[in-house]
Amino acid sequence: KNEVEQSPQNLTAQEGEFITINCSYSVGISALHWLQQHPGGGIVSLFMLSSGKKKHGRLIATINIQEKHSSLHITASHPRDSAVYICAVSKASYDKVIFGPGTSLSVIP
Amino acid sequence: EAQVTQNPRYLITVTGKKLTVTCSQNMNHEYMSWYRQDPGLGLRQIYYSMNVEVTDKGDVPEGYKVSRKEKRNFPLILESPSPNQTSLYFCASSLSMRGGNQPQHFGDGTRLSIL
Repeated sequence: KNEVEQSPQNLTAQEGEFITINCSYSVGISALHWLQQHPGGGIVSLFMLSSGKKKHGRLIATINIQEKHSSLHITASHPRDSAVYICAVSKASYDKVIFGPGTSLSVIP
Repeated sequence: EAQVTQNPRYLITVTGKKLTVTCSQNMNHEYMSWYRQDPGLGLRQIYYSMNVEVTDKGDVPEGYKVSRKEKRNFPLILESPSPNQTSLYFCASSLSMRGGNQPQHFGDGTRLSIL
């Protein structure tokens, strides 16, 4: 079983829809990261969080440490949000990083 | 401008010919890391460094070497490259990987093909 899992694997949404991507992990962590990768390869860090909730524009990330679960929400989705969203965790005490498999999001106009 | 710079961006080479991919950051970050990305396998950590002269293995360190002699530079060395090291490589840096306030900054990637 992978230490970091994401769902769904693929997601197609209509422009304007509210989107949720989930991440669950099975190891102790010091932080969780949400990354975005557009076609063409560049990776951008969206959030790094260790508790609670963070918001940036239309993006919201939450984490529940007890349940070992995080969600990334996109409100009022737009075609430019089409990308692969990757969850990653920094393992507690080791600073090693483990990645989830990614969620491929396509937002249709 | 705050950035992580990798060079080269693209490289085609042959088996066994030593190569180095350079990575430099201008943000005075303590943490630096190398990742590789492969279709179907996703991103995996190769090596990381928490500070100068401190390096540690990630999940896939075999066939790679790193060094951290200066804070800003973290080169990835392939002493004897093999075709299974054909991949897209990313360097990243962060002030710290603990807590929740120091996101990673990624380089643009290096696409490496080993024939």
